[in-house]
Amino acid sequence: EDQVTQSPEALRLQEGESSSLNCSYTVSGLRGLFWYRQDPGKGPEFLFTLYSAGEEKEKERLKATLTKKESFLHITAPKPEDSATYLCAVQAGETSGSRLTFGEGTQLTVNP
Amino acid sequence: DTAVSQTPKYLVTQMGNDKSIKCEQNLGHDTMYWYKQDSKKFLKIMFSYNNKELIINETVPNRFSPKSPDKAHLNLHINSLELGDSAVYFCASSLTPTNTGELFFGEGSRLTVL
Repeated sequence: EDQVTQSPEALRLQEGESSSLNCSYTVSGLRGLFWYRQDPGKGPEFLFTLYSAGEEKEKERLKATLTKKESFLHITAPKPEDSATYLCAVQAGETSGSRLTFGEGTQLTVNP
Repeated sequence: DTAVSQTPKYLVTQMGNDKSIKCEQNLGHDTMYWYKQDSKKFLKIMFSYNNKELIINETVPNRFSPKSPDKAHLNLHINSLELGDSAVYFCASSLTPTNTGELFFGEGSRLTVL
């Protein structure tokens, strides 16, 4: 069974204090790993797709990286508006009707 | 203009009742989903439809019945509601069934069963 574990569960940072979120996965035949951001009372919003080990993607203060066992979401000089829950998900299996397996998320709070 | 919209946003009802949640997407996507997010924030897929055809049906009680009248709409009907059904239900869409990594989610429908 596919498994996704995110750590830490919650992270508090001061504005400008860089850090990383971790997503460890166990999956048979990884087709893609995805990062989403979820604000309170909203649906998840897609951030990144990573397909193979060594791949990196960047968007503003966020950078996602992928190894064969885990992915990191690096946050550089975060701002209060980066506060949200960050979800990691993996896609595996057959090409048609593949489903995403989500982790529990990391709740990030950035204090001004 | 909202891409994926679902109604109602909040639903409070008694055990044993039947309720429905509606979802519409205006992105022109072929594939739509229902996900359930429980109190621990875990998102789990329930169903997926591609162009009105059911392609994913996870282990979900028979009391849950999805219906897709066309590829822009996916509704969820729940019979005989139980306390454990309380959760946030998210509708989502993707361009194709194989492009399932980039999902567009609605804002969710929070169901509370008393």
